[in-house]
Amino acid sequence: NAGVTQTPKFQVLKTGQSMTLQCAQDMNHNSMYWYRQDPGMGLRLIYYSASEGTTDKGEVPNGYNVSRLNKREFSLRLESAAPSQTSVYFCASSEQRTGFYEQYFGPGTRLTVT
Amino acid sequence: DQQVKQNSPSLSVQEGRISILNCDYTNSMFDYFLWYKKYPAEGPTFLISISSIKDKNEDGRFTVFLNKSAKHLSLHIVPSQPGDSAVYFCAASEGNTPLVFGKGTRLSVIA
Repeated sequence: NAGVTQTPKFQVLKTGQSMTLQCAQDMNHNSMYWYRQDPGMGLRLIYYSASEGTTDKGEVPNGYNVSRLNKREFSLRLESAAPSQTSVYFCASSEQRTGFYEQYFGPGTRLTVT
Repeated sequence: DQQVKQNSPSLSVQEGRISILNCDYTNSMFDYFLWYKKYPAEGPTFLISISSIKDKNEDGRFTVFLNKSAKHLSLHIVPSQPGDSAVYFCAASEGNTPLVFGKGTRLSVIA
């Protein structure tokens, strides 16, 4: 049981390049999330998927797209990377149930855009 | 506008003493509150939570207190250990909406 896995762990891009961050979970969770963490800014939600087949914008969606490929996988795409997207990206998943739900996080992808 | 605020970016505590991390929120509709712990180069991990119908929840050395009238919660760690040194995030949710996180407090426990 690996929990939430993310690939790659590190990536360096040039301005204007594109890439896709991959995330997979093996806990049979319905909901998945993408966050970015910047120094002094905490964790900010980019996009989330409450269930397979649905996606919604979070606090900072501009410059990103997502795909919920199936129940296990949720990818984040940067179509034209910008230096402002230099950050650590975390994927998370949760089991949607009434009331409390704990989110489980992956180890993160450290992205640098030059 | 920040809905969840952690006003202390950092905190230093001696080993064996109590660590108190604070969190304020503005949305009175939040009904669940959680604390996450994050070590460098790792993802955040869940630590403890509390429902809005309670005012205290305890798990070993960790206790979370909720004061709904003041829209304030705190995490107490007693006794503090060097392994507790990490960044602690407060988070809140309203119904099944995604968690809203604070900016985090870096705790350093000095041996």
